[in-house]
Amino acid sequence: DSGVTQTPKHLITATGQRVTLRCSPRSGDLSVYWYQQSLDQGLQFLIQYYNGEERAKGNILERFSAQQFPDLHSELNLSSLELGDSALYFCASSASLQGPTEAFFGQGTRLTVV
Amino acid sequence: ELKVEQNPLFLSMQEGKNYTIYCNYSTTSDRLYWYRQDPGKSLESLFVLLSNGAVKQEGRLMASLDTKARLSTLHITAAVHDLSATYFCAVDEYGGATNKLIFGTGTLLAVQP
Repeated sequence: DSGVTQTPKHLITATGQRVTLRCSPRSGDLSVYWYQQSLDQGLQFLIQYYNGEERAKGNILERFSAQQFPDLHSELNLSSLELGDSALYFCASSASLQGPTEAFFGQGTRLTVV
Repeated sequence: ELKVEQNPLFLSMQEGKNYTIYCNYSTTSDRLYWYRQDPGKSLESLFVLLSNGAVKQEGRLMASLDTKARLSTLHITAAVHDLSATYFCAVDEYGGATNKLIFGTGTLLAVQP
């Protein structure tokens, strides 16, 4: 158990809908990362938050947004969903911006858009 | 933009054989990580390599880092079925106000009896 908790584990929704994925980082970790894993794109970095502030953006679509709350949990919001958004979404956390990025991954949320 | 490439993408090997997975990356970094992923599961950290020439070993797996060549290798010795999984390398892109891991394409390892 990495200590990173993601909910829900599975999500099935229709095209055009909006969903929210939730992540609780390891105790004490200030940095949260979101990754998307799909068969054709591999593991893609989406976005990073550190202590409530957005710090880096990767290949994140405009339909997707994220935030990190004062208690350090994070949510990834996906809207106007398309079939191609079906993927495994991982959250990871690490302690700080200094030193190695030893990221610990949650179990993932499997999103299926039908 | 940092690019990370692994090869091979797929590796089928017999139990007892040795093989090496290669990870090349495009820009300077002295921090590289190896992860293992079982089907449908999360990523498990295997090795953390933090300097040029770093070598780490755990059981039948050994990882090394050559920052000058921008190359890391994951060597498998006398493979067993339990090692079947997908292996990812990830390069630490850090500096300034951010740090993040950029992952390679992954290598699917299938060890046949």
